[in-house]
Amino acid sequence: LAKTTQPISMDSYEGQEVNITCSHNNIATNDYITWYQQFPSQGPRFIIQGYKTKVTNEVASLFIPADRKSSTLSLPRVSLSDTAVYYCLVAYAGGGNKLTFGTGTQLKVEL
Amino acid sequence: ETGVTQTPRHLVMGMTNKKSLKCEQHLGHNAMYWYKQSAKKPLELMFVYNFKEQTENNSVPSRFSPECPNSSHLFLHLHTLQPEDSALYLCASSLLGGETQYFGPGTRLLVL
Repeated sequence: LAKTTQPISMDSYEGQEVNITCSHNNIATNDYITWYQQFPSQGPRFIIQGYKTKVTNEVASLFIPADRKSSTLSLPRVSLSDTAVYYCLVAYAGGGNKLTFGTGTQLKVEL
Repeated sequence: ETGVTQTPRHLVMGMTNKKSLKCEQHLGHNAMYWYKQSAKKPLELMFVYNFKEQTENNSVPSRFSPECPNSSHLFLHLHTLQPEDSALYLCASSLLGGETQYFGPGTRLLVL
C-alpha cells in the first residue's frame, strides 16, 4: 500500500481557494488517488478521485502531475462548513479494498 | 445520505453487557467493512466482507464478533468490552475490489 504524506493542518478564510497537497512517492501503476472529507463524529465522505491530470466535480478539483507522485486537492471559495479533516488515499483499482487512512489534514476556515 | 445506515447512532454499555451494532447499505454493493476511530486517531480497519465472506480480520480481539448474513447487512456483536473500546465505529460498503468506499454515519460507543 502506498504511503501518503499530507500537512497536519491548514487555516483559511471564507471565500479563499484552498489547496491541500499529498505526497505518494511509491504509488503503483494501478493505484487511484481518492480524497475523503470527514466532519466530527461522522463517517468520511468521498469527495473526488483521479488517476492522472485533472479531475473536476461540483465540489473540488484534483490535480495530478505526470509522475503521479503527488496530488493536490483544490477547494474553491471555501466556507465555514468546509472545516473538516481531509484524507488523501491511494488504493489499488479493481483488486484491493484495504484503505489505509492517515491522520489527514485538519482544515479550519474562519470568517 | 450516503446510502449506508447505522444503528444505533449512540450506545452506552457496561463491560458485562452484550450489544450489537447494525449496518445496512442500499447501494447494491457486495463488500462491507467495519472501522474503528478512536479520539484523534486515524481510522483503523477491523473487518472486511466480500460477498458475505470475511476476507480480512485486522487482529481484532474476539470480544468483537462480526456477522454478515447477506451483502446488504453487517453486524458487529459486542461482549465484555473494555473502556478503551470506546470509539466511533464506522461501517462502509463498496463494490468488490472497489477503491471508493461509502461510509455510514457511525455509532458512537461508550463503554463504562
